[in-house]
Amino acid sequence: AQTVTQSQPEMSVQEAETVTLSCTYDTSESNYYLFWYKQPPSRQMILVIRQEAYKQQNATENRFSVNFQKAAKSFSLKISDSQLGDTAMYFCAFMKPNTGNQFYFGTGTSLTVIP
Amino acid sequence: DAGITQSPRHKVTETGTPVTLRCHQTENHRYMYWYRQDPGHGLRLIHYSYGVKDTDKGEVSDGYSVSRSKTEDFLLTLESATSSQTSVYFCATTGEISNQPQHFGDGTRLSIL
Repeated sequence: AQTVTQSQPEMSVQEAETVTLSCTYDTSESNYYLFWYKQPPSRQMILVIRQEAYKQQNATENRFSVNFQKAAKSFSLKISDSQLGDTAMYFCAFMKPNTGNQFYFGTGTSLTVIP
Repeated sequence: DAGITQSPRHKVTETGTPVTLRCHQTENHRYMYWYRQDPGHGLRLIHYSYGVKDTDKGEVSDGYSVSRSKTEDFLLTLESATSSQTSVYFCATTGEISNQPQHFGDGTRLSIL
């Protein structure tokens, strides 16, 4: 099984500042996909950003960007200009294409944006 | 999200009773999944399905069974509920293209007393 590690259980950031959430994974595969999901207090799971392992360019979605280091098996999420609505649990996920396209999730980082 | 409906949204039941959770999707996605979410553990896969009547076990399948008799419905059954199965349960779906994310239902909070 693949393992995904999020080593920061909790983080906080001042509104309008930048914060980086870390994620590392363990795999011997060369073709895979990585995702960040956000779970606000409403409990919904919301896709934030995705990265294909074969792409060297880091993915960006508005204020959210990733730093994908394939050799180091690292996939960190950077949130710029943090907003109160960014307060949520953030999960990193790994997917290797196979029969079931299973996702493997980290344990999550709880982010609080402080006004 | 992606037309995924979980029912019920909340349930309280007693130890030893059978419980069935339902996931219904309108997106015609091939793959469906059941997860449980517990503090400190993230989301852990219970069972998944890669087609009608095609299912397989995930990381934490003991005490759970699933069925998928048609594309849109995926049922999770706790055969004899225990207090350790108190959790929030999520259903997710995804299509066949590899880079598609999983889309989630709103979750079911299950309490077993």
